[in-house]
Amino acid sequence: EIVLTQSPDTLSLSAGERATLSCRASQSGGSGFLAWYQQKLGQAPRLLIYGTSNRATGIPDRFSGSGSGTDFTLTISRLEPEDFAVYYCQQYGDSPTFGPGTKLDIK
Amino acid sequence: QVQLVQSGAEVKKPGASVRVSCKAFGYTFTSFLMNWVRQAPGQRPEWMGWINAANGNTKYSEKFQGRVTISRDTSASTAYMELSSLRSEDTAVYYCARLVYNILTGYYFDYWGQGALVTVSS
Repeated sequence: EIVLTQSPDTLSLSAGERATLSCRASQSGGSGFLAWYQQKLGQAPRLLIYGTSNRATGIPDRFSGSGSGTDFTLTISRLEPEDFAVYYCQQYGDSPTFGPGTKLDIK
Repeated sequence: QVQLVQSGAEVKKPGASVRVSCKAFGYTFTSFLMNWVRQAPGQRPEWMGWINAANGNTKYSEKFQGRVTISRDTSASTAYMELSSLRSEDTAVYYCARLVYNILTGYYFDYWGQGALVTVSS
């Protein structure tokens, strides 16, 4: 079973700054790809990135994903006020699994 | 446009069962796997299982095996999740989510229902 860890737990930044969120898998394999989701309070998760580096429909280009093997990164190049939320990574080993999340909050 | 519309909030007593529905709009229901994912307060999403909407085959997380049943009604483009023997730890928001698989991009959930809060309390 693949276990995902995310760092940091909380990231405090200001609008206009760059955010770098990390996700590490306990082992490589499975599908080898990673997805990222954004979740705001009281809402369902929203797909941001799939296949490690592909933006989902309607996602602004300030969001980008990268990585391979066991180490993956979500980068938000210039934070907008609406970007402050919780971010989860997800991978598929023998079943879908999610990381514990990184809370991005306003400094 | 694709939409997944779930049934409403439920309050159940310990030991009871709950059934949540998820009606799909805007795509061919039988072309995708429909999944159920739950999220307890302050926790990460947790996958419970899926149903192949085309043939009805199911796969369940070991954690919920024996307590969860996922079914579907293709004529109504609706999936169902029933969880039995409820306990307080089952209090969570239950989501349906469409799973996409592509050999070039792997597995991911592209559309989610709005969620249904299930509260288990005596």
